[in-house]
Amino acid sequence: DQQVKQNSPSLSVQEGRISILNCDYTNSMFDYFLWYKKYPAEGPTFLISISSIKDKNEDGRFTVFLNKSAKHLSLHIVPSQPGDSAVYFCAGPNNAGGTSYGKLTFGQGTILTVHP
Amino acid sequence: NAGVTQTPKFQVLKTGQSMTLQCAQDMNHNSMYWYRQDPGMGLRLIYYSASEGTTDKGEVPNGYNVSRLNKREFSLRLESAAPSQTSVYFCASSLLAGGPSRTYNEQFFGPGTRLTVL
Repeated sequence: DQQVKQNSPSLSVQEGRISILNCDYTNSMFDYFLWYKKYPAEGPTFLISISSIKDKNEDGRFTVFLNKSAKHLSLHIVPSQPGDSAVYFCAGPNNAGGTSYGKLTFGQGTILTVHP
Repeated sequence: NAGVTQTPKFQVLKTGQSMTLQCAQDMNHNSMYWYRQDPGMGLRLIYYSASEGTTDKGEVPNGYNVSRLNKREFSLRLESAAPSQTSVYFCASSLLAGGPSRTYNEQFFGPGTRLTVL
């Protein structure tokens, strides 16, 4: 049962425009979400997080929005740059077994390509 | 600080062979994790260790075993490799294992091991 889903496998945008990456979740008890970025041949790196008590968190060009009623979050990148081309994963706490112990459950990932 | 290191970077095995993937972190983190990444599947948790001396199964543990050798090191063993275990394997670590509600537990990842089983 996929608790966190990213339904768009890929996204292509022009440099300078906005990139919007989407993520849906099923467990309304999630109390935080994270976004990770992954370049080829490297491990994922943490990008930005949001607590469930907030509906927006901003860090420079990156903003994450949380819509709890729709169980949906999105990552906005403005303006997009070619160096942002990577795979983006959303993640939430993995509470399987009752306690997360810090475990995360990841979405399938979205490949972002930013064209110069 | 090297962060999280993994060895080897690449490995090719024949069906039935065994091997151990090594992972070490130098950040004094308590928790460590093993994931596999497959196309269209995201990252799936194989095993984790909430603290030194403890290990537990994740979502896809079949065919794998782990050892938390000490606080720094967490190894993943394939006893009898199968083609279905062809994947990219990532080790990760985090300072906390859970914590107060509404705190997040950032995980730091290694560079990965690309494993092919023929």
